[in-house]
Amino acid sequence: DTAVSQTPKYLVTQMGNDKSIKCEQNLGHDTMYWYKQDSKKFLKIMFSYNNKELIINETVPNRFSPKSPDKAHLNLHINSLELGDSAVYFCASSPQSDEQFFGPGTRLTVL
Amino acid sequence: QKEVEQDPGPLSVPEGAIVSLNCTYSNSAFQYFMWYRQYSRKGPELLMYTYSSGNKEDGRFTAQVDKSSKYISLFIRDSQPSDSATYLCAMRLTGGGNKLTFGTGTQLKVEL
Repeated sequence: DTAVSQTPKYLVTQMGNDKSIKCEQNLGHDTMYWYKQDSKKFLKIMFSYNNKELIINETVPNRFSPKSPDKAHLNLHINSLELGDSAVYFCASSPQSDEQFFGPGTRLTVL
Repeated sequence: QKEVEQDPGPLSVPEGAIVSLNCTYSNSAFQYFMWYRQYSRKGPELLMYTYSSGNKEDGRFTAQVDKSSKYISLFIRDSQPSDSATYLCAMRLTGGGNKLTFGTGTQLKVEL
């Protein structure tokens, strides 16, 4: 299946822990993104990479660090998790045009 | 004030109704406009994309853009229960690294 995939789908963890979310796309796209969707469904971009180069870095705490080992993968590492980090995190990818293809999301719950 | 405003709903309509979903925006530099549909516990999927003022039709869906009023709409004709989802408007500037700014989404329920 050609798609954007994310692991894990669900992540429940304690405050203060460090966790990673992985994203892979096999669509051959050059650009990948991380979005955060809060409990009110508001979707906000966090980061974007084009061919492994960071091109968008919104106002995100530096506890969040994206890493792109190659153009098909974009991982998100979060240090010292806080209650307010609880959300659904979506990875997306796109070719040079606008259509962004989203993954299924990772539901993060911080206790 | 958010750059893109969208009524969160929920909006409940009977099957077969015409649905109108709307967004207003404050930044006149937005040039490209999209509508995404998001089913519960799924990722958003692109429904419509347009960059000019006027109407664009695709099956039962019509996207309308009025740049002078900074207002976009999505119309759904002959609505079906399978249209029940959250609809997110999104827009971007020319250039800008393909950064999309989303509305908060409108939750739609189409009832039998």
